[in-house]
Amino acid sequence: KAGVTQTPRYLIKTRGQQVTLSCSPISGHRSVSWYQQTPGQGLQFLFEYFSETQRNKGNFPGRFSGRQFSNSRSEMNVSTLELGDSALYLCASSPLGGLGYGYTFGSGTRLTVV
Amino acid sequence: GQQVMQIPQYQHVQEGEDFTTYCNSSTTLSNIQWYKQRPGGHPVFLIQLVKSGEVKKQKRLTFQFGEAKKNSSLHITATQTTDVGTYFCAGPQRGSTLGRLYFGRGTQLTVWP
Repeated sequence: KAGVTQTPRYLIKTRGQQVTLSCSPISGHRSVSWYQQTPGQGLQFLFEYFSETQRNKGNFPGRFSGRQFSNSRSEMNVSTLELGDSALYLCASSPLGGLGYGYTFGSGTRLTVV
Repeated sequence: GQQVMQIPQYQHVQEGEDFTTYCNSSTTLSNIQWYKQRPGGHPVFLIQLVKSGEVKKQKRLTFQFGEAKKNSSLHITATQTTDVGTYFCAGPQRGSTLGRLYFGRGTQLTVWP
């Protein structure tokens, strides 16, 4: 079966711009989480959606937002981009997002802010 | 806040040597998960441990969950070049089994042929 699909794979944006990243989870997976990965901070949790509702939120500023659609696809938006937002953004899906299941990660979107 | 710590940060071994990475949580975990990320790749789920003192094996990989459910380890016997990558442990938010995972900083394994 198809894995987690993230688009685009690479993105270059200018400071102050906004960006939208997309994630299509594995069919049947209802939980979608987003992580930011940087060499300095490692894997940092952004938020988790389950059945179109944000169930958990990490410690990121309000410039980072997301949503989930009825087909479980998710989008993440970052407004007013800063240089420090340059990172690999990973989406992960899970059937229920909890015990008994690991998360399947997508290949990520590499965002570079210049 | 909740923290998951991993040591060592780096490990360089010669092919055939054993490798161990250790994970410690500041809080009791309901479960712990292990992931592997190859260079240039994304994390791939390896295993989940749930029970206190649990030991699971996957071929040359042995995973343990501590009795107090605050620590875990991954041991690889007779490493191979295919084992190269960064190994992460991750635990859920305190008091929860769902959603948010706290990842350790990972142990980057290099294997010399």
